[in-house]
Amino acid sequence: DQQVKQNSPSLSVQEGRISILNCDYTNSMFDYFLWYKKYPAEGPTFLISISSIKDKNEDGRFTVFLNKSAKHLSLHIVPSQPGDSAVYFCAAIRGKAAGNKLTFGGGTRVLVKP
Amino acid sequence: DSGVTQTPKHLITATGQRVTLRCSPRSGDLSVYWYQQSLDQGLQFLIQYYNGEERAKGNILERFSAQQFPDLHSELNLSSLELGDSALYFCASSVGTKREKLFFGSGTQLSVL
Repeated sequence: DQQVKQNSPSLSVQEGRISILNCDYTNSMFDYFLWYKKYPAEGPTFLISISSIKDKNEDGRFTVFLNKSAKHLSLHIVPSQPGDSAVYFCAAIRGKAAGNKLTFGGGTRVLVKP
Repeated sequence: DSGVTQTPKHLITATGQRVTLRCSPRSGDLSVYWYQQSLDQGLQFLIQYYNGEERAKGNILERFSAQQFPDLHSELNLSSLELGDSALYFCASSVGTKREKLFFGSGTQLSVL
């Protein structure tokens, strides 16, 4: 039973345009969400996070939106750059007692075309 | 470079065998995590150690075990290997156990033939 789902396995976008990555979760106990980016032959690297008490968090070109009622979050990358081509993973944490135990989605592969 | 070192990068072995994966966390990090990424799967949490003690357990098989040593490096032992154990195994580290970003190593690709 996948509690965190990324329904789009891949996304192709033109350089300079917006990339929107989506993530859905089923467990209402999740209260902290993160996005990680992964290049080939490397481990995932942290991108941005959001607590369930917020509905938006922004860091440079990256913005994460959280819709708790819909159990949905999205990552916006504006403007997209060729270096953003990577696999993006959405992850969630359930409660403070879970510490850093992350539940990951299956990932979305993003290709930014020059 | 995340500062987390995993060895070996690649491992090829046969069914029924036992292997050990090694992880050195970032300097100063006390927590070590192990994740498994199988084909077409997201990363699955296996186990976490904090300062030598097991802290959290996930979907780790009984054939798998881990430990964290006094110098804080960690080892993941996989025994009685099956074809389905073929996967990319990641180690990650963080300073503590609270919500903070994890630093991942580049992984060990295990192929069981």
